[in-house]
Amino acid sequence: RKEVEQDPGPFNVPEGATVAFNCTYSNSASQSFFWYRQDCRKEPKLLMSVYSSGNEDGRFTAQLNRASQYISLLIRDSKLSDSATYLCVVNEAGGSYIPTFGRGTSLIVHP
Amino acid sequence: NAGVTQTPKFQVLKTGQSMTLQCAQDMNHEYMSWYRQDPGMGLRLIHYSVGAGITDQGEVPNGYNVSRSTTEDFPLRLLSAAPSQTSVYFCATFPRPGGEQFFGPGTRLTVL
Repeated sequence: RKEVEQDPGPFNVPEGATVAFNCTYSNSASQSFFWYRQDCRKEPKLLMSVYSSGNEDGRFTAQLNRASQYISLLIRDSKLSDSATYLCVVNEAGGSYIPTFGRGTSLIVHP
Repeated sequence: NAGVTQTPKFQVLKTGQSMTLQCAQDMNHEYMSWYRQDPGMGLRLIHYSVGAGITDQGEVPNGYNVSRSTTEDFPLRLLSAAPSQTSVYFCATFPRPGGEQFFGPGTRLTVL
C-alpha cells in the first residue's frame, strides 16, 4: 500500500502560536497534493491545494518538497477555531481515482 | 445547492442484517466514491465510480456492493452486516481524477 505518513500529535499550542505539520509520501510519481481539515465528528473539507511553487491563503501556507517527498502546512497566529484534525492527501500521477489519505494530525489551540 | 447528502445519519444493525447507505449529489460530478473511517486508520476507499454504470473496487471492497444508475446517486449496500463494518462512512464526489473531493456529512453505523 502506498504510504502517506503524518505525526498524529496532538499538537497542543497557545493562541497566537505558529505551528507546522509535515506529511511524507512514498510514491515519487505522486502528482497532486491537498490539505483537508476535519472537525470532530464531521466530514473532511478542503483547506488548500499544494502546488509545486507553494501557496498561501491568509494565515495558512502549504509547501511541497518533491526531492524529500513531503508536504507541509504552516499555520500562523493560531486561533481557537483552528483546533481540528488536518489530513494530507496524495494522488498518483496520471489522474488516479484512488487518493491516499494520511491518518491526520490533531491540533489543539488553547487560550 | 445541497452538495453531497447522505442518509441515514446514524444506523444500528444486528449482525447479518442488510441495509443500503444512500448518497446523492447535485454537483454534476462524474466521479463518486465511498470511504470508511475508523479510529487510527484514516480514510479508506471502499468503491468508486467514474460515471453512470461504471464502478470499481477500492482498497477495502469486501462485504460491500455499489451501483451507479444515475449521475446523482451512488448507494452502498451491506449485504450481511458484520461487527467489523462498524465505522463512519463518507461519500464523496470529485470533478476529475486527482482533484478535490467533496464529502457528504457521513453515516455512523454500528453493527452489534
